[in-house]
Amino acid sequence: NAGVMQNPRHLVRRRGQEARLRCSPMKGHSHVYWYRQLPEEGLKFMVYLQKENIIDESGMPKERFSAEFPKEGPSILRIQQVVRGDSAAYFCASSPARADNQPQHFGDGTRLSIL
Amino acid sequence: GENVEQHPSTLSVQEGDSAVIKCTYSDSASNYFPWYKQELGKGPQLIIDIRSNVGEKKDQRIAVTLNKTAKHFSLHITETQPEDSAVYFCAAPTGTASKLTFGTGTRLQVTL
Repeated sequence: NAGVMQNPRHLVRRRGQEARLRCSPMKGHSHVYWYRQLPEEGLKFMVYLQKENIIDESGMPKERFSAEFPKEGPSILRIQQVVRGDSAAYFCASSPARADNQPQHFGDGTRLSIL
Repeated sequence: GENVEQHPSTLSVQEGDSAVIKCTYSDSASNYFPWYKQELGKGPQLIIDIRSNVGEKKDQRIAVTLNKTAKHFSLHITETQPEDSAVYFCAAPTGTASKLTFGTGTRLQVTL
């Protein structure tokens, strides 16, 4: 979807396990955003990263959740000790610059299910 | 922070008719307003956007209007087709920040 690649597409974890979600932005894009979508709801902002920097993590829970966007490789959203309430679709978007100057393009998401 | 409200939540139109979806926002500093279409099992796809220096933008059957004074913007789809059936989301950035606040979505159903 518009070149943003997310994997895996589906991820099943048991309570207490760790979930790692990966996002490769569009070629030439250096800004990555993570959003969470619950069933029948809109997307909620979680975190905004540039290469090697977290710019805004105001939407991310303080505990168990972390995100990174290393110099090389994809952006990673990591959820430790998952709970049932973490079940959702997680979407990554990228832009070449700040979103108020450039559109955000989304991947097809990772659907996380917690057993 | 930004608050975006979207109406209606569901919309059913006959093929060939027009569809209009409306959104309001709260942050007067917001200057960029995208619309996304989301099909089942897919990510949101950007279909059109508008910046605050224009009042209307059109791309084939899709148009967006913006009223900055009233803080609302609308999506207009003309000559609807069955493949237009999807969930549509409006969004606005939080002031000059980069995070988007999304509306709650409109499920559009185009019937034959």
